[in-house]
Amino acid sequence: KAGVTQTPRYLIKTRGQQVTLSCSPISGHRSVSWYQQTPGQGLQFLFEYFSETQRNKGNFPGRFSGRQFSNSRSEMNVSTLELGDSALYLCASSYRDPRSYNEQFFGPGTRLTVL
Amino acid sequence: DQQVKQNSPSLSVQEGRISILNCDYTNSMFDYFLWYKKYPAEGPTFLISISSIKDKNEDGRFTVFLNKSAKHLSLHIVPSQPGDSAVYFCAASLVSSGSARQLTFGSGTQLTVLP
Repeated sequence: KAGVTQTPRYLIKTRGQQVTLSCSPISGHRSVSWYQQTPGQGLQFLFEYFSETQRNKGNFPGRFSGRQFSNSRSEMNVSTLELGDSALYLCASSYRDPRSYNEQFFGPGTRLTVL
Repeated sequence: DQQVKQNSPSLSVQEGRISILNCDYTNSMFDYFLWYKKYPAEGPTFLISISSIKDKNEDGRFTVFLNKSAKHLSLHIVPSQPGDSAVYFCAASLVSSGSARQLTFGSGTQLTVLP
C-alpha cells in the first residue's frame, strides 16, 4: 500500500508570496493533519481535516489555511509568506474517526524556504 | 506554553547499551502517549504507544514507561543499535474541542548510537 505522499518536496519562495502544499493520504484514510517542524520547536500542529471538514486547528495565524477534497487529498495554503515560515511541513493521515485514537502515518514533508 | 517537553536535545550512547529518552508533560488530560522516530529527509514513523491506564508497554527492544503522578514518560531501547540513531519525538493525545483528538509533540531528542 502506498504511503502518504507530499508535493512538492522542496520549495523556495520570497517574502510576500503565497504557497500551496499538497498531501495525498494513504488509500482509505479519511483524516489528514498538518504539522510545521522547525529546529528546536518540534512538530507544531496546524490543523486536521476529516471528511472534508476542519475538525481541529492549532495556534497559527489566519495566513495558514487548508482544505480537504472528497477523495481525502488535502492542501494547505500559506499567504503573505514571512521568513519565519521557513520550515518542514508534514502531513499525516489516519484511518478512523479522529475522536478515537488511531495511529498517524506521516509523509516525508515539504521543505519550504522563504527568502 | 509547551505542554510536552523533551529537555534533552541530544543523547549519545554506546552500541549495545541502554538508551533512555525522557519526556515530561503538564496537561493531566492527556490520556494516550506515543513515541515517533524520525530519520533525516523522512517523516516521523510510529514506534510505540501507551495508554494512561497502563504504566508500561513493551515491544521488542523498546519499552515505554509512564509515571502519571510525575507526569513523566520514558522510552528505553535495549540493546541500542547504530540504526537507532534518529530524532525521537514524544507525543501526547487528548480529546480536544469538537470531540476530535489532537497530538501534541515535544521538541525531539537526537539519539546517536556509537559503534
